Amino acid sequence: QKEVEQDPGPLSVPEGAIVSLNCTYSNSAFQYFMWYRQYSRKGPELLMYTYSSGNKEDGRFTAQVDKSSKYISLFIRDSQPSDSATYLCAMSAGGGSQGNLIFGKGTKLSVKP
Amino acid sequence: NAGVTQTPKFQVLKTGQSMTLQCAQDMNHNSMYWYRQDPGMGLRLIYYSASEGTTDKGEVPNGYNVSRLNKREFSLRLESAAPSQTSVYFCASSAYRGANTEAFFGQGTRLTVV
Repeated sequence: QKEVEQDPGPLSVPEGAIVSLNCTYSNSAFQYFMWYRQYSRKGPELLMYTYSSGNKEDGRFTAQVDKSSKYISLFIRDSQPSDSATYLCAMSAGGGSQGNLIFGKGTKLSVKP
Repeated sequence: NAGVTQTPKFQVLKTGQSMTLQCAQDMNHNSMYWYRQDPGMGLRLIYYSASEGTTDKGEVPNGYNVSRLNKREFSLRLESAAPSQTSVYFCASSAYRGANTEAFFGQGTRLTVV
């Protein structure tokens, strides 16, 4: 079992839909959780960052972390065609030798006008 | 701001050839990383440099070497390219090597080994 599992999709939704993207993980030491967005033929860019459990909201984006279930989610409200990209979850246990980010495979999202 | 700059953007190599991928950042970051991204595999860490003068292996270091030339530059070398090294390579940097710091990525180098 890989440390981080993410459904690669692709996921296609109509404009205005609510999108739910998810990752599960197996390492209970993970406590830093991130979502990166990657447009086609570009490098990933940080979208959301959450420490430990709970929710974080930024505009149309909400990140949720449930450490008891080892499950993280990214919700996109009122999705737009400009949200079409690959979304990668990433997580880490912390500093020192465990500080490296472990990425999911990414979910490719397409928002149709 | 240039951020993280990678050269070249595209490269085709023959099996057994060598090449160096260059990466430079202008954000005064301490930590730099090299990843490869393959379909169905996600981003995997090849090597990283927590600070100038140090380098360490990541998840998939075999077949690669790195050099942290100075604080700005971190290069990745393929000594004898193999078709299995066909991939998109990303360089990234962060202020320091901590899980709560944002990693900034370059645009990627698309490498094909034939």
